[in-house]
Amino acid sequence: DTGVSQNPRHKITKRGQNVTFRCDPISEHNRLYWYRQTLGQGPEFLTYFQNEAQLEKSRLLSDRFSAERPKGSFSTLEIQRTEQGDSAMYLCASSLGTGSVDTQYFGPGTRLTVL
Amino acid sequence: AQSVSQHNHHVILSEAASLELGCNYSYGGTVNLFWYVQYPGQHLQLLLKYFSGDPLVKGIKGFEAEFIKSKFSFNLRKPSVQWSDTAEYFCAVAGSARQLTFGSGTQLTVLP
Repeated sequence: DTGVSQNPRHKITKRGQNVTFRCDPISEHNRLYWYRQTLGQGPEFLTYFQNEAQLEKSRLLSDRFSAERPKGSFSTLEIQRTEQGDSAMYLCASSLGTGSVDTQYFGPGTRLTVL
Repeated sequence: AQSVSQHNHHVILSEAASLELGCNYSYGGTVNLFWYVQYPGQHLQLLLKYFSGDPLVKGIKGFEAEFIKSKFSFNLRKPSVQWSDTAEYFCAVAGSARQLTFGSGTQLTVLP
C-alpha cells in the first residue's frame, strides 16, 4: 500500500493525558497537512508543512497542539492535556505540490476519544 | 476567508436516478475546486478536481462537475446512480492558501 498511513487508527485516553499521532505521507510528497473532522462536519484545516517547515497554522490549533515533521518525511501531531472537546477524527493528507496546483491525498485518520 | 456551502445534507435516491449535489463557495480570487467521497468505513478519496480550463470536469466512476464562476458553484452530477454510490460527498475549495476548506458534506443513500 503506497497511500498515506496513520497510526494509531483509534486512541482512547482520559482527560488530561497527552497523545501523539503519526502520519506517513506518500513517498516523495513534499507537502503534508493535518485536519480535524468532527461528526457531521467536513474536515477543518489544522496545519501544513512543506518539507520540514511548518508554514501555516490554523487558529484551531491551540497551544496544547504541536506538530512536527523533523526530516521532511513522517509527521507527528501531539495534543497535551487532552480535553473532551478534542474528541474527533484527525486526518493527514499529503501532496506533491508544485506552485499553486495541489492535490491532496488523505489517510484513514486517527479517531481520538477523550473520556 | 473562503467558505463552502453544501445545502443538501442528506439525499435519498433510487438506483438509476440522476444525481446533482449542490456546492457553492465564497472566495474572491482564483480557486481550485474539488469533490471528495467517503465510502462507509473508508477514507476520503478524490472524485474530481478543477484547476483551470474546461469548466466541465469528469472524474472517476462516471461523476462530473461543472464550475460556474458567475454563480460561485461547482455542482456534482451523475446521470444514473448505483447502490455502490452510497457515501458521503464533500466539496472543497483551495484559494491562495494551500489548505482545503470543506463543506459540511452530503450523505447520499441509494436504494436498491
